[in-house]
Amino acid sequence: AQSVTQLGSHVSVSEGALVLLRCNYSSSVPPYLFWYVQYPNQGLQLLLKYTTGATLVKGINGFEAEFKKSETSFHLTKPSAHMSDAAEYFCAVKRWAAQKLVFGQGTRLTINP
Amino acid sequence: NAGVTQTPKFQVLKTGQSMTLQCAQDMNHNSMYWYRQDPGMGLRLIYYSASEGTTDKGEVPNGYNVSRLNKREFSLRLESAAPSQTSVYFCASRSRSPLHFGNGTRLTVT
Repeated sequence: AQSVTQLGSHVSVSEGALVLLRCNYSSSVPPYLFWYVQYPNQGLQLLLKYTTGATLVKGINGFEAEFKKSETSFHLTKPSAHMSDAAEYFCAVKRWAAQKLVFGQGTRLTINP
Repeated sequence: NAGVTQTPKFQVLKTGQSMTLQCAQDMNHNSMYWYRQDPGMGLRLIYYSASEGTTDKGEVPNGYNVSRLNKREFSLRLESAAPSQTSVYFCASRSRSPLHFGNGTRLTVT
């Protein structure tokens, strides 16, 4: 079975500071990994995904994530936070060819002026 | 291009009432999904349909039924609503792509 753990239900950073949102997964087979973002009163939008190949994945809005198999992690980073980054972020995992995506509990990101 | 459309956006039910949440996608996706979102619990899969004519249970199917009406439409039915079903419900679809989500239905059961 697969699972995802997001460390920290709420992260607060200052505008211009580094954003780091942590995600650890468990999977018995090589996983596909995703980060989604949810703005208030909206559905989830894909930020980035890792399937195979390069372990550093770049996404939209300046975000990136690195797949580290030895640490079973897929942390999301952005060098400089912007007020518009305030949202809830979800990490998710699935097996290749599987239908079901398993989501973490979510991390709410707050940006302080 | 509308993507995934959910109706209604908001609904209040009394315990024991029934209702159907509608979902339609215009991206010709094969697979469709229903999730519920609750604070601190992320998104949990209720039911999914891998292709037209098939449906399967997810993590939390109790109290729900689904119908894959055609390739575009996938509805979620609550036969006898309970306060524990107060949640935000999301429909999503995909083929080979990542999931595309609707904007959700916020359901309150009193």
